[in-house]
Amino acid sequence: GAVVSQHPSWVICKSGTSVKIECRSLDFQATTMFWYRQFPKQSLMLMATSNEGSKATYEQGVEKDKFLINHASLTLSTLTVTSAHPEDSSFYICSASPSGLYSGYTFGSGTRLTVV
Amino acid sequence: SQQGEEDPQALSIQEGENATMNCSYKTSINNLQWYRQNSGRGLVHLILIRSNEREKHSGRLRVTLDTSKKSSSLLITASRAADTASYFCATLANQAGTALIFGKGTTLSVSS
Repeated sequence: GAVVSQHPSWVICKSGTSVKIECRSLDFQATTMFWYRQFPKQSLMLMATSNEGSKATYEQGVEKDKFLINHASLTLSTLTVTSAHPEDSSFYICSASPSGLYSGYTFGSGTRLTVV
Repeated sequence: SQQGEEDPQALSIQEGENATMNCSYKTSINNLQWYRQNSGRGLVHLILIRSNEREKHSGRLRVTLDTSKKSSSLLITASRAADTASYFCATLANQAGTALIFGKGTTLSVSS
C-alpha cells in the first residue's frame, strides 16, 4: 500500500534557528501533499497544501514566510520552520494520496518539534 | 480550518462496554473517514464511508453516515483497554486533490 515517510521523528532546536521536515511518498507519486499541525490535546489543523512544481496554498492564519514549503518532485515535500519560536513547538504531520483519488490518503508518522 | 464538532470531547468507559462517538460537519463531502491516534503519535486509519453509503462495519467498528444531517457516528463494541486513544473524523470534499479536514476529536479512555 501507499507509504509516506516523514523525518525527523522528533527535533529540538534553539529559538531563532530553522528546521526542515521532509515528507516522502515511497511507492507512489503525489502531485499534492498536505501539512498539518497539532498542538497538545487538540486536533489536526491543515496548514497548507503543497503542489509539485508550484507554490503552496496556505490556510488562513498560517504565515507563508515562516513555514516554507517546497515540493520539488513528485515524491518529496519539505516544510521549513524558519526563525523558530517556542510557540512553534508542535506535532507536524504530512499526508499524501495517489494522485486523483478520493481515498487512500496516507499520513507520515509525524515530527515532534520542540523549540527551546 | 476545521470541519465541525465531535462529541463527546471525552468518554470514559469500562472494558466490554460500547463506545459511541459522534461527528458533525458543515459542507458536502465525497467521503468521511475515522482515524485513531494514540497519545500524540501518528494516525491510524480505521474506516472510510462514502457519501452514498449509510452504514459500514469493520470488525468491532460500526460507522453510520447521515448526509441530510451532516453527521456520522462511530461505534466501538466490546471495548478493550487497548482502544484507549483519541478518535477523529475527517471529511473529504467532492474535489480531487483537496485535504482531509479533521473534527476536534473524542478522547476515549477504557479502563479494565
